[in-house]
Amino acid sequence: KNEVEQSPQNLTAQEGEFITINCSYSVGISALHWLQQHPGGGIVSLFMLSSGKKKHGRLIATINIQGKHSSLHITASHPRDSAVYICAVDPNFGNEKLTFGTGTRLTIIP
Amino acid sequence: NAGVTQTPKFQVLKTGQSMTLQCAQDMNHEYMSWYRQDPGMGLRLIHYSVGAGITDQGEVPNGYNVSRSTTEDFPLRLLSAAPSQTSVYFCASSYSMTGLDTGELFFGEGSRLTVL
Repeated sequence: KNEVEQSPQNLTAQEGEFITINCSYSVGISALHWLQQHPGGGIVSLFMLSSGKKKHGRLIATINIQGKHSSLHITASHPRDSAVYICAVDPNFGNEKLTFGTGTRLTIIP
Repeated sequence: NAGVTQTPKFQVLKTGQSMTLQCAQDMNHEYMSWYRQDPGMGLRLIHYSVGAGITDQGEVPNGYNVSRSTTEDFPLRLLSAAPSQTSVYFCASSYSMTGLDTGELFFGEGSRLTVL
């Protein structure tokens, strides 16, 4: 079973700060998902990647798939970025056997 | 285009009662799944389906039943509810992946179930 660890578990930062959330896993994978969950809300897909870097607005995701590590960066953070960020790893490009991390709770203070 | 629709949003049951959580998607996705989310734990897979008529067990299937008679619908049945099934349940769907462009996951808004 793949062990997925996220760090930090909780992160509080001031508005405008650069944020980094990390995800590491123990067994090789084909792809990794980053997800966002607002308090009391549903879950939204941010990225799916298997190599290099992806960027969407102020969000950047990177992965070193051989090194078993991925990071999610948020530039110019804003209070609306406050949410739980979850990584999920996929062993074989099928979404059928995803293993999820426990999430990083991010709070951005105005 | 509604995406993934999950009902009910909240439900309280007594031990031993049965109920069905409904999940429907209108994106013609082959893959559908049910997860439960408990405090301090990652999402855990209960059951999944890769197409109509095909279902399989995930990590925590005991006490739950599923069927997939159509592409759109994937209901989750609790046969005899137990307090250990108190959780938040999420339905998710995606295309069966042929690559990164088709693997985006779409989640329902969640169903909070309390079993007394």
